[in-house]
Amino acid sequence: GQNIDQPTEMTATEGAIVQINCTYQTSGFNGLFWYQQHAGEAPTFLSYNVLDGLEEKGRFSSFLSRSKGYSYLLLKELQMKDSASYLCAVRGNDYKLSFGAGTTVTVRA
Amino acid sequence: DTAVSQTPKYLVTQMGNDKSIKCEQNLGHDTMYWYKQDSKKFLKIMFSYNNKELIINETVPNRFSPKSPDKAHLNLHINSLELGDSAVYFCASSTSSGGEQFFGPGTRLTVL
Repeated sequence: GQNIDQPTEMTATEGAIVQINCTYQTSGFNGLFWYQQHAGEAPTFLSYNVLDGLEEKGRFSSFLSRSKGYSYLLLKELQMKDSASYLCAVRGNDYKLSFGAGTTVTVRA
Repeated sequence: DTAVSQTPKYLVTQMGNDKSIKCEQNLGHDTMYWYKQDSKKFLKIMFSYNNKELIINETVPNRFSPKSPDKAHLNLHINSLELGDSAVYFCASSTSSGGEQFFGPGTRLTVL
C-alpha cells in the first residue's frame, strides 16, 4: 500500500512563496503527481515527476527525490486565486493513484 | 467542449434507495475511474476500467457496481444507499499508459 503525508494547512501572503512538502512510503513507485482543488470543484493536474529533480511550470515547480520518498510543490508569486487544496498523489506499479489528504493553502492580502 | 462530464451534479435521496451516477469523457481516453471524496476531503480510488474491462476494484461494498458500456462511459450504480455513502463522487479518465488523470465536476451525494 501507500502512505502519503503532507501538512494539513498553510497560510501565506500574496506575492510570497510557499513550499508544500509530501513524503511517501510505497510498495512501488511509478510517478508522483500534484493536483490543485478549489473548494467545491474537481481536482486539476499541476505537475508530474517520475525522475529525481525539479520540474518547473510557470509559477509552480515540483521536486522529487525517490531515494528519500520526498517531493515538494513550490508556489511562487502567490495570488489570491491560489487559495485551494493541493493534493500529492503517488502512482504505484499497479498504476493506481493514491492521494494524500491534501494541504489547504490560504493566501492573505 | 466538456472533457469529463458527470450527471447529476447533486443527488439527495433516502436511505435504502438505489441510484446511479453517469460519467462520459470525450478525450479519447482508454481508462476511466471512480473516486470517493469524503467529508475530510480524502480522495480514494474505488474502481478503474480500461477499454471496458475492470482493472482496479478496491475494497468497496458490493452495493456499488460500476458498468462501462463503452470506453467513453463509466456509470456507477449504488444499491441500498446508506448514510455513510454521503460524499462527493468523482469520475476521471486517462490514457492507458497512465498519464495525468482528468476529473469530472463531481456528484455530491447526500443520503438522508
